[in-house]
Formats: sequence, C-alpha cells, structure tokens
Amino acid sequence: LAKTTQPISMDSYEGQEVNITCSHNNIATNDYITWYQQFPSQGPRFIIQGYKTKVTNEVASLFIPADRKSSTLSLPRVSLSDTAVYYCLVKSGGYNKLIFGAGTRLAVHP
Amino acid sequence: SAVISQKPSRDICQRGTSLTIQCQVDSQVTMMFWYRQQPGQSLTLIATANQGSEATYESGFVIDKFPISRPNLTFSTLTVSNMSPEDSSIYLCSVGSDQNTEAFFGQGTRLTVV
Repeated sequence: LAKTTQPISMDSYEGQEVNITCSHNNIATNDYITWYQQFPSQGPRFIIQGYKTKVTNEVASLFIPADRKSSTLSLPRVSLSDTAVYYCLVKSGGYNKLIFGAGTRLAVHP
Repeated sequence: SAVISQKPSRDICQRGTSLTIQCQVDSQVTMMFWYRQQPGQSLTLIATANQGSEATYESGFVIDKFPISRPNLTFSTLTVSNMSPEDSSIYLCSVGSDQNTEAFFGQGTRLTVV
C-alpha cells in the first residue's frame, strides 16, 4: 500500500475554505484515494473517495491531478465543528484494509 | 451503511488480566478489522478478522496477545490478553466489503490498564 504524507496540523477560521494536500507518490494503478475525518472519542468517518480528476459531495471536494501522486481535500466554508483530524489514505482495489498515516489535525477558530 | 456496536465502551483493568471486546454489526459484512489508537496517535491496524478461519495479523501483533474470533458475518471479538499499562488505548472495530464502499467504524473501546 502506498505511503501518504500530509501536514501534521493546520489552522483556519470560520467561513474560510480549507485545502489539505496529501502526497502518495507510490500509488498503484488499482488504488483509490480516500479521506476520513475523526472527532475526539469517535471512530473515523468517511468523507470522500476518488480515483482521478475531481469528486464532489455535500461535504467536500477531492481534486486529483492526472499523475495521481497527490490529492487535495477541499472543505468549503469551514465551521468550528469541522475541527478534527483528517486522514488521507490509499486503498488497494478489491480489498478494504485501511492503513492510516499520521493525519492532519485541523483547528478552526472563531 | 453499517451500524457497529462495540462493548464495552470503556473499562479499567488490572495488569495481568484479559479483556474481551465485542463488535456487533447490523448487517452481514465480508471484512472486519480491529485497530488500536494510542493516546494522541493515529490508528494502527491489528488484524483482519476472517469468517471461518484464523485472523490475519499485521506486523508487530500476535495471536497469543490479541486472539480474535469471527463466528459469523455480523460479529467479532478481540481479546487483549495479559494486559500491561502499555495496552492502554482505544480499540476500534471496522467493517468494509469491497473497494467501492466506505469503511465504517465503531465508537471504540477505551481501555485503561492500571
């Protein structure tokens, strides 16, 4: 499974757009990029998953360039409740084992 | 989606004893996983619980310390054996089925060993 690298922490303010970039240089052809969010005292929760280009849902957008060696999670207009740890993971096709990296601790300030 | 119930939600145990954590899913799932999350750290995969066969353990985790059962497609247990304070962590159960579906996590079991 490809290793991922993302910033350890980020700070933002309410109403701003937050972009968290993750690098996964050794991503394989069958791999998907998936992002999870974790609040204190809770298990991780799925945010978004993509293979290439752009994916958007009601929570976030995921941008993946053509070489797929990186991806960017975009959170529009964050609120205090978006304060959490965000994990970027590479998931091999056909198998749902998830290997977590360190994650990005996002703090949203008033 | 899948709803996962973990029991107990938390426990305080004496060193040298064992604790069994239960994970119940509201639907049949192919894959079940057990993770450990130490304070302030990320999640570490312990093992994959396979239905009808022995669990598959990740490097650094062994069956004698973390025996796992998977009697059917909706239930699994993880036992933390002969506990020491270093085993104090949150233990999480997760389920998933194939590459196109998200994984779901239980709320975790917060274990403190004294």
